[in-house]
Amino acid sequence: EAGVTQFPSHSVIEKGQTVTLRCDPISGHDNLYWYRRVMGKEIKFLLHFVKESKQDESGMPNNRFLAERTGGTYSTLKVQPAELEDSGVYFCASSQVGGSRTGELFFGEGSRLTVL
Amino acid sequence: GNSVTQMEGPVTLSEEAFLTINCTYTATGYPSLFWYVQYPGEGLQLLLKATKADDKGSNKGFEATYRKETTSFHLEKGSVQVSDSAVYFCALSDRSADGLTFGKGTHLIIQP
Repeated sequence: EAGVTQFPSHSVIEKGQTVTLRCDPISGHDNLYWYRRVMGKEIKFLLHFVKESKQDESGMPNNRFLAERTGGTYSTLKVQPAELEDSGVYFCASSQVGGSRTGELFFGEGSRLTVL
Repeated sequence: GNSVTQMEGPVTLSEEAFLTINCTYTATGYPSLFWYVQYPGEGLQLLLKATKADDKGSNKGFEATYRKETTSFHLEKGSVQVSDSAVYFCALSDRSADGLTFGKGTHLIIQP
């Protein structure tokens, strides 16, 4: 069974440009999460989808970040326009029922974003 | 708000040494506690968990006990192997927030 896949693995863009990160969760997992790890900092929760609906987006930094989950399958996270402080590793995770309450999240390898 | 504090690395040990990675937490409720591990080139994986006070989580020779009185969840292993080299993250979840709260991660390096 395929795990959580993320694309691209690494993206280098200039300040002001747009980047879109994609996450394909494990098939059948209704819960999808985005997290971010900035260099030297903790992994921070960004948002949580249940199927195509945003359950909690309290961790989204600002309105330059837009997350979507078309048809409850894959998800995209767009950063527009990117700023230097957006650099970091963006992790996607998926789970069946329970999710964060049980801790049984399945993570992708992460997409490293470098904004110059 | 919730927070997790863990020793930062890198932590370098010789093979067969005893391992302890400290983790303490602050939470408003009664959290569940977790250790995740990220091996090179892979995503984070759940290593072990404990959902209530005095519970002990264990997996692959690693153990951690939920200590409510000291708000700690230290990770231990009696004899580490080179294959244990990875980044270890302590995390918690409770009803006050949807997502997991992570520590900064501890990079563990085991030398032959």
